[in-house]
Amino acid sequence: EAQVTQNPRYLITVTGKKLTVTCSQNMNHEYMSWYRQDPGLGLRQIYYSMNVEVTDKGDVPEGYKVSRKEKRNFPLILESPSPNQTSLYFCASSPSSVYNSPLHFGNGTRLTVT
Amino acid sequence: QQQVKQSPQSLIVQKGGISIINCAYENTAFDYFPWYQQFPGKGPALLIAIRPDVSEKKEGRFTISFNKSAKQFSLHIMDSQPGDSATYFCAATEFNAGNNRKLIWGLGTSLAVNP
Repeated sequence: EAQVTQNPRYLITVTGKKLTVTCSQNMNHEYMSWYRQDPGLGLRQIYYSMNVEVTDKGDVPEGYKVSRKEKRNFPLILESPSPNQTSLYFCASSPSSVYNSPLHFGNGTRLTVT
Repeated sequence: QQQVKQSPQSLIVQKGGISIINCAYENTAFDYFPWYQQFPGKGPALLIAIRPDVSEKKEGRFTISFNKSAKQFSLHIMDSQPGDSATYFCAATEFNAGNNRKLIWGLGTSLAVNP
């Protein structure tokens, strides 16, 4: 089944404890992206990747890191999480960045930072 | 500044009724307008999309109406069903500073269809 898989689905952590949220897609998509979803703020892009070893900042990149060493994987790293990073995170992939290329989303990771 | 303004924030419709969600934009460089549907506990999924050279696109019970001169577009859900209860996001695409395409999202509309 074609899908974007995120892990974990739920994560509770403490301020300053490094964490990684994994994202993997099995559709051979070139484009991958991370979003956070917050009430009243909608979906905001954190980072995106056009292809392997090509990443760029989205609208809210502060406090996050990403890497794209393989085409299928695009992990999101929080080096020193803070409570304002408590959010619902989505990974998405797309065949390309062409305008009508649909985004395929994972089912989300709910992160709580205390 | 919200580049794509979506309304209403929430909507309650009776089964069989018509649900209408509206979006407005300012940037005339936007050239593709998708709608995504999100169920609780799931990620958004592409529902239907339109290009600005088309005034209407219909897929089953879902229709996008596009008014280029008014810079508005809307999603109509005919014969709304309880299974349509979800959050709906409109979006628009543009080129960013790196000449890469970027989606600009509305804030979402929570639709509840009462049985």
